[in-house]
Amino acid sequence: QVTLKESGPGILQPSQTLSLTCTFSGFSLSTYGMGVGWIRQPSGKGLEWLANIWWDDDKYYNPSLKNRLTISKDTSNNQAFLKITNVDTADTATYYCARQSPLYWYFDFWGPGTMVTVSS
Amino acid sequence: DIVLTQSPALAVSLGQRATISCKTNQNVDYYGNSYMHWYQQKPGQQPKLLIYLASNLASGIPARFSGRGSGTDFTLTIDPVEADDTATYYCQQSRNLLTFGSGTKLEIK
Repeated sequence: QVTLKESGPGILQPSQTLSLTCTFSGFSLSTYGMGVGWIRQPSGKGLEWLANIWWDDDKYYNPSLKNRLTISKDTSNNQAFLKITNVDTADTATYYCARQSPLYWYFDFWGPGTMVTVSS
Repeated sequence: DIVLTQSPALAVSLGQRATISCKTNQNVDYYGNSYMHWYQQKPGQQPKLLIYLASNLASGIPARFSGRGSGTDFTLTIDPVEADDTATYYCQQSRNLLTFGSGTKLEIK
């Protein structure tokens, strides 16, 4: 059974760095072809893909945010991480992690999301 | 960037057919596959995969849901609609990185 769960700080101030953790089970990021992605959704708005990381440590970023994002993983503890630097109120959103299919890059399992508010 | 365009809302009577469209500004076909996927998101929940590669039903999804299309024009069909299908539906392309459509909110009359 595949499950994912996101965790984050809940609230942080503008200009700080947002650190998010995705803890998953039922698959391994050391398995050939596996990937995990991060997606966010401001309240009442649509989905925005942020980044993904693959079994071989290959990484891809949304070009519009690339200079602020860092994705990483801890294979032994079944975790993936996302850091967003220099946050502002526009980064307020629910952040999801999801397992990503090899080759075709769709998300077949999603976590419940963690809400992050950026406020002074 | 590949931009996906969806109509913002659709209202369909219970038991009728709902057709949700997604148009892209670039071809998302590659080596015989259309890199287009569909998700359902109910209020307060995470998205759920419905259809992958334009027409393949994801595991556990009822056969009332179907997808078709190629190139730049895609549709998600729900037939017949049930009250529980009230949700926002998103398309997503993966031909060139990843982008989502803006979502279509489905109301059941």
